[in-house]
Amino acid sequence: EAQVTQNPRYLITVTGKKLTVTCSQNMNHEYMSWYRQDPGLGLRQIYYSMNVEVTDKGDVPEGYKVSRKEKRNFPLILESPSPNQTSLYFCASSLVRGWGTQYFGPGTRLLVL
Amino acid sequence: TQLLEQSPQFLSIQEGENLTVYCNSSSVFSSLQWYRQEPGEGPVLLVTVVTGGEVKKLKRLTFQFGDARKDSSLHITAAQPGDTGLYLCAGWYNNNDMRFGAGTRLTVKP
Repeated sequence: EAQVTQNPRYLITVTGKKLTVTCSQNMNHEYMSWYRQDPGLGLRQIYYSMNVEVTDKGDVPEGYKVSRKEKRNFPLILESPSPNQTSLYFCASSLVRGWGTQYFGPGTRLLVL
Repeated sequence: TQLLEQSPQFLSIQEGENLTVYCNSSSVFSSLQWYRQEPGEGPVLLVTVVTGGEVKKLKRLTFQFGDARKDSSLHITAAQPGDTGLYLCAGWYNNNDMRFGAGTRLTVKP
């Protein structure tokens, strides 16, 4: 089954404790991205990757890091989480960047205390 | 920074009523997508429109792309409780820059 998986689905942490949210897709897609979703603001792109070892900032990259060492995986790293990073996070992948279908993961709900 | 405005933000209607959701921008889209998101899940693509004036139908849902490719609408005929969810528009600008609208949360009461 074609899918995007994220782990964990729910996470409660404290300010400053490094965390990683994993994302994996099994569709051999080149393009992957991370979004955060906040009430009234919709989905905002954090980082995206056009292919292995190619990453770029989205609209709200501050406080986040990503890596793309393999085509299927695109982890999101919060080196020192802060309460304003409490949000719902989605990973997405598509064959190419542009008008193609983006497939979204189920989301990771993060609470930073 | 291009802005994409979606309205209304909330919509609560009775089963059987019709509704329209709007998505507007001051910039020209190269393409526009509509997604639907249910609680606890990620958005799922409903349709992509590319050509100005294009109309696409998906059962009781009708999607229209404005002639100038700056706006789009989603019309639902005879809404059903199963249509309840968050509807998101997403516009691509020059196939390089993408923006999501804030979403329309639709509730259809039986």
